[in-house]
Amino acid sequence: DAGITQSPRYKITETGRQVTLMCHQTWSHSYMFWYRQDLGHGLRLIYYSAAADITDKGEVPDGYVVSRSKTENFPLTLESATRSQTSVYFCASKEGAKGGTEAFFGQGTRLTVV
Amino acid sequence: TQLLEQSPQFLSIQEGENLTVYCNSSSVFSSLQWYRQEPGEGPVLLVTVVTGGEVKKLKRLTFQFGDARKDSSLHITAAQPGDTGLYLCAGEGSGTYKYIFGTGTRLKVLA
Repeated sequence: DAGITQSPRYKITETGRQVTLMCHQTWSHSYMFWYRQDLGHGLRLIYYSAAADITDKGEVPDGYVVSRSKTENFPLTLESATRSQTSVYFCASKEGAKGGTEAFFGQGTRLTVV
Repeated sequence: TQLLEQSPQFLSIQEGENLTVYCNSSSVFSSLQWYRQEPGEGPVLLVTVVTGGEVKKLKRLTFQFGDARKDSSLHITAAQPGDTGLYLCAGEGSGTYKYIFGTGTRLKVLA
């Protein structure tokens, strides 16, 4: 099925563990983004990517690592999880064209760090 | 640093009332978009505005992009309980593909 999928949907991990959140899109969109959303707040940009092997830091990149070896995948890794990283994480993709193209979102991953 | 500030943060109104949500920045944006998010879901696009001064209507929703492309507003006429949700503005700055979201406005429309 076409679309953007995130996995897992829910994850509980312990402080200090490494955890990777997966994001896969089938449209071959150039741009991909990772956001975190905390209760009652908007979306804060963690990392973004314009194409395979091109990534940039967003507003809150500390403690996170990304890679993009293939256009369709954009995994987000928490190298050593902390309680402050408990959040809902959204992956999004959009076409590379300028002029306000729509961003499509995954269902989100709810991560709890205990 | 580009920031998008939304106001109000929370809004609770009675069915049939009108409301306006604002999205402001000190930066210029090449385009601005409005999304609505339901609980447990990702945001879904409502509209895109590109030209300074542009006004778009979507049924009871009216969107406006500021002349200087630094701000936008969303006006809802005769709000209904189905309008309840989190409203987010988003934009990409001029000369960048960085795509940021506003702080969000949580709307509750009471029947």
